[in-house]
Amino acid sequence: NAGVTQTPKFRILKIGQSMTLQCAQDMNHNYMYWYRQDPGMGLKLIYYSVGAGITDKGEVPNGYNVSRSTTEDFPLRLELAAPSQTSVYFCASSLVAGGLNEQFFGPGTRLTVL
Amino acid sequence: GQNIDQPTEMTATEGAIVQINCTYQTSGFNGLFWYQQHAGEAPTFLSYNVLDGLEEKGRFSSFLSRSKGYSYLLLKELQMKDSASYLCAVTLDMEYGNKLVFGAGTILRVKS
Repeated sequence: NAGVTQTPKFRILKIGQSMTLQCAQDMNHNYMYWYRQDPGMGLKLIYYSVGAGITDKGEVPNGYNVSRSTTEDFPLRLELAAPSQTSVYFCASSLVAGGLNEQFFGPGTRLTVL
Repeated sequence: GQNIDQPTEMTATEGAIVQINCTYQTSGFNGLFWYQQHAGEAPTFLSYNVLDGLEEKGRFSSFLSRSKGYSYLLLKELQMKDSASYLCAVTLDMEYGNKLVFGAGTILRVKS
């Protein structure tokens, strides 16, 4: 199993550009999550999904959109990039919602907006 | 709101024992995770506590007191490779399932 994979690893965007961060998992997990991590800070939840076709906002959803058309894929879309979106983005997945909801993280995407 | 507090940084000596504390004020608490994150890498799971008490896992142990809103991670026989950030995360109920709310992390530096 590859686990959770993310592409690209690094990206530099200009203000106002758009891009999609890709995330895929091959563990047949129902739950998937997008976090951002700013320097010296914990992870903040952007969006999450409990299954194909079902998504909901987390703590910091503004400026982002998601979709979940398959169990495996959970892309994150930035429509109009802003410098405040410079961060490291982690995708994660987990098997169940309750109990030991251990989340498995991808390697991250380092995004800089100039 | 949700609030999770951890010390920002700690330094300890190779071979020693270190305790990293975490306090939280949250609603809808389900359990508490500890994750390890090396610089430039993704977080990896260390431990999970849902009931009061101590969970031991090799050199690492984690303790939880739900009534006090308090947890700690205990690392024994410290090794240089234990230098990392340690993230405390509380699992809370959401409309669908539950979510993790992370503290800012404690950077542990192990010196020889």
